[in-house]
Amino acid sequence: NAGVMQNPRHLVRRRGQEARLRCSPMKGHSHVYWYRQLPEEGLKFMVYLQKENIIDESGMPKERFSAEFPKEGPSILRIQQVVRGDSAAYFCASSPLSGYNEQFFGPGTRLTVL
Amino acid sequence: GENVEQHPSTLSVQEGDSAVIKCTYSDSASNYFPWYKQELGKGPQLIIDIRSNVGEKKDQRIAVTLNKTAKHFSLHITETQPEDSAVYFCAASGGAGGTSYGKLTFGQGTILTVHP
Repeated sequence: NAGVMQNPRHLVRRRGQEARLRCSPMKGHSHVYWYRQLPEEGLKFMVYLQKENIIDESGMPKERFSAEFPKEGPSILRIQQVVRGDSAAYFCASSPLSGYNEQFFGPGTRLTVL
Repeated sequence: GENVEQHPSTLSVQEGDSAVIKCTYSDSASNYFPWYKQELGKGPQLIIDIRSNVGEKKDQRIAVTLNKTAKHFSLHITETQPEDSAVYFCAASGGAGGTSYGKLTFGQGTILTVHP
């Protein structure tokens, strides 16, 4: 059973470009969470999605950031007009159910903004 | 919202010694407390978790204790080995006024180094 998959693993963008990060949850998991980890810091919650629904986006910046989890295909975290402060590791986690259940993390996408 | 504090930030032990990492949380409604191990360049790996109806849980060399009254929980690693060296994160979820979704609030992390 494959784990959570994220791609690309490394992404380099110049300021002003768009970054698109993809996450495929574990088989049978319909809940996806995105977290951001700044250098030498802990993980910060960004957004929680179920298929075709955003459940909680309280951790996501109001501008330039968006997320989706379509009925078919991976979850996408999109960052428009990237700035240097967006450089971080972005992790996706999936869970089979909502509530107090285990979340399994992918390997992350390391975004570098030049 | 929930706030999780983790101590120490770095921990250095000799192989075979025990290591203890402590976390406190602020939201008394939190019900789920996982611990993750993160190796360099990799994603966090769930190593053990505990729910609020249990005071202690053990899995081989790893144990977690929870004190709901004091709102703190701890990770205990016995007989440490060099491969235990990593960053360890505690987390809490289940609060937010009873909303039963799994948003995790993480501690700041502990860099554990086990010297051979």
